[in-house]
Amino acid sequence: GQNIDQPTEMTATEGAIVQINCTYQTSGFNGLFWYQQHAGEAPTFLSYNVLDGLEEKGRFSSFLSRSKGYSYLLLKELQMKDSASYLCAVRSYNDYKLSFGAGTTVTVRA
Amino acid sequence: EAGVTQFPSHSVIEKGQTVTLRCDPISGHDNLYWYRRVMGKEIKFLLHFVKESKQDESGMPNNRFLAERTGGTYSTLKVQPAELEDSGVYFCASSLDADTQYFGPGTRLTVL
Repeated sequence: GQNIDQPTEMTATEGAIVQINCTYQTSGFNGLFWYQQHAGEAPTFLSYNVLDGLEEKGRFSSFLSRSKGYSYLLLKELQMKDSASYLCAVRSYNDYKLSFGAGTTVTVRA
Repeated sequence: EAGVTQFPSHSVIEKGQTVTLRCDPISGHDNLYWYRRVMGKEIKFLLHFVKESKQDESGMPNNRFLAERTGGTYSTLKVQPAELEDSGVYFCASSLDADTQYFGPGTRLTVL
């Protein structure tokens, strides 16, 4: 099975940087995904890591260390519209299903 | 390109009634998934279709839940009879292959 942990809430100021950590324990690993979800909307794909290292996409970056069972999502130059829930999800080796963490609610203040 | 759509967006029913949720995946996506999020918990996997076949239904909670994907296009998830603990948000997702899953906006189900 999977055990995925991420902080419940984080608050940051507009223009700042926030790092959301995710740790996981899995019986088989085949990739880690980050999704953004605004209230009442669909989770939206942000990033995917399957190899160790940093993936950068504009203001968002995601890092993975498979040996440590650890990932983070880095949000730079925060904007008010970045206030949302951020979901860490792990895919198992032998199947396609995603196992999710409970999500981190990020609040961006002016 | 249209995304994953789900209908209805909200459903309120009485305990013991039947509800059917529908999901239309992104056109051409053979893989279709159902997930749900109950209050205060994480999103949990229910099942996975490849075309019209059930590939993995290990997350289905009990036999009151029935998922179908006749013709390998849209899918339905029926809950019969509904119980209070079935309340939550039911998400559908689709993918082309073993890659990124794209989610729909969900159906919020309330069982009274």
